[in-house]
Amino acid sequence: GENVEQHPSTLSVQEGDSAVIKCTYSDSASNYFPWYKQELGKRPQLIIDIRSNVGEKKDQRIAVTLNKTAKHFSLHITETQPEDSAVYFCAASRSGGGADGLTFGKGTHLIIQP
Amino acid sequence: AAGVIQSPRHLIKEKRETATLKCYPIPRHDTVYWYQQGPGQDPQFLISFYEKMQSDKGSIPDRFSAQQFSDYHSELNMSSLELGDSALYFCASRRESQETQYFGPGTRLLVL
Repeated sequence: GENVEQHPSTLSVQEGDSAVIKCTYSDSASNYFPWYKQELGKRPQLIIDIRSNVGEKKDQRIAVTLNKTAKHFSLHITETQPEDSAVYFCAASRSGGGADGLTFGKGTHLIIQP
Repeated sequence: AAGVIQSPRHLIKEKRETATLKCYPIPRHDTVYWYQQGPGQDPQFLISFYEKMQSDKGSIPDRFSAQQFSDYHSELNMSSLELGDSALYFCASRRESQETQYFGPGTRLLVL
């Protein structure tokens, strides 16, 4: 099955600086890569996703890059703000034609220092 | 906008008891997923349904079963509960033509 590794487990950055979280996956058939933000005790919320036919996607301060050959993808958050503090999970799945579940990374606890 | 509804939101059970968790997907979503998230852990995929048929199976224990009904809501049945079953259980729904899974607020299960 799929295995997703995520680094770092904890990331502390100064407010206004950028944060980068990296993930690798093992299953070359995976073609859908979402990122979720989860606050303590709350539901995971999608912040951005990318499909394997795209190398990069951006939404305001958030961007995701994908390298299919190396099987890794990264989340970039620029101009970080206190409300960005949360746990971020990357995930991977095969999409299309079925309801494959997401395989998540272990999560990154992002701390924005004021 | 309507979201995924889960009930109950909190549940306390004794060891060896049974529990039933319910999930009502977003209207017009035909695919439902169940995830289990232990304290400080990532969500673990349990099982999914598409058009009332089981679609994918993850790390769901044999003590658990689930189904999706004609109105697309889903129920997760958990028997012979163990202390280790204490976790947040999330349901997520998706529309077949799209890929985004939308998570419900979760059911917090505590097994004593």
